[in-house]
Amino acid sequence: IVMTQSPATLSVSPGERATLSCRASQSVSSNLAWYQQKPGQAPRLIYGASTRATAIPARFSGSGSGTEFTLTISSLQSEDFAVYYCQQYNSWPLTFGGGTKVEIK
Amino acid sequence: EVQLLESGGGLVQPGGSLRLSCAGSGFIFSNYAMSWVRQAPGKGLEWVSTIKIRASSTYYADSVQGRFTVSGDNSKNTLYLQMNSLRAEDTAVYYCAKDSGTGWHYFDYWGQGTLVTVSS
Repeated sequence: IVMTQSPATLSVSPGERATLSCRASQSVSSNLAWYQQKPGQAPRLIYGASTRATAIPARFSGSGSGTEFTLTISSLQSEDFAVYYCQQYNSWPLTFGGGTKVEIK
Repeated sequence: EVQLLESGGGLVQPGGSLRLSCAGSGFIFSNYAMSWVRQAPGKGLEWVSTIKIRASSTYYADSVQGRFTVSGDNSKNTLYLQMNSLRAEDTAVYYCAKDSGTGWHYFDYWGQGTLVTVSS
């Protein structure tokens, strides 16, 4: 299953809303996770099983099912500027999207 | 506190071999599937392999099938990745990652990664 993320880069001002998209080449039901990665760091789970991961603030929200998914960050904070990846775990092989870089506008 | 610590990376010539290790702590190792995910320099994430230790089940990406072998030692809380016939395109940071425990294979904890460079 090919995962396609858009846009590749999103320029947003602090305090603004960011909407990241992830599309699957075939249905993955609700079996999609989101990760955040900052430079030089390992990825961090944001969302899995339709649930925010531990210690992830409520400004992050995930939605979607089937082939279309969205991660929304309601009011961007300085610590949210990073690369975000989606991952489907509906079937083998597990696959990741190419990532969306959220940068400061 | 869950911790994962990878080791074993380094520089290896094309065609060579390397074994990566990932020591886990803060959780019951045998209760979780464990995976390897890699990231080539400046690129995105690529799943490599998963092992369900209790079920003795292993899964591999097509790109490494037949060359890499994943294993685990519950007594040492350690995950391994034996990498043979290495190619330049295997150059990447290799992360070990712990399954969420929900029965679905997404990853709630990651190690800091170990760099593998395949070059002559």
